[in-house]
Amino acid sequence: ETGVTQTPRHLVMGMTNKKSLKCEQHLGHNAMYWYKQSAKKPLELMFVYSLEERVENNSVPSRFSPECPNSSHLFLHLHTLQPEDSALYLCASSQATGAGTGELFFGEGSRLTVL
Amino acid sequence: ILNVEQSPQSLHVQEGDSTNFTCSFPSSNFYALHWYRWETAKSPEALFVMTLNGDEKKKGRISATLNTKEGYSYLYIKGSQPEDSATYLCASYNAGNMLTFGGGTRLMVKP
Repeated sequence: ETGVTQTPRHLVMGMTNKKSLKCEQHLGHNAMYWYKQSAKKPLELMFVYSLEERVENNSVPSRFSPECPNSSHLFLHLHTLQPEDSALYLCASSQATGAGTGELFFGEGSRLTVL
Repeated sequence: ILNVEQSPQSLHVQEGDSTNFTCSFPSSNFYALHWYRWETAKSPEALFVMTLNGDEKKKGRISATLNTKEGYSYLYIKGSQPEDSATYLCASYNAGNMLTFGGGTRLMVKP
């Protein structure tokens, strides 16, 4: 138990569906992240929220839309995805230090399959 | 976009063997180097966060060293056990960039 919970753990959706991934952290951290893990690729940062403000979106396609209503919750809204978006989506949280020293605490991931 | 490289990509060792792997990262504007351990079907878990050149950290049988001038870090596992089987990830934090991960080293320890 890392203190970061992701739901759902598995999601299958068609290209025209709209769905959302949810992440919740119980660690009192002030930064939350979405990472994408595709097969045989390094973890790719998608979005970072620090103090509930987005600080990085890393050129992610607009079919991915993040939302951070408060410091404990993070969502990733999915719309009109492509099969190549099938991947493991990991949420993480940390105490942002401005110097990159805050270790990340990860959830177990949401495995997304786009048909 | 930073280039963080890990080698080897995968490694098979016998129980009891000691092993090590490498992470190379850009040395310019370097702030911190992270190591994570990721077991199958679990979440990645932090092992070490290192910032200073020459830093050496240890947790049980696992230790890591850091050379910020030449941009590399080594992770050592002494007397590998089957439960050490996992993917080991490093990530570099450099000014102007967020934490950038390498591709990982997948370690399999045979009993």
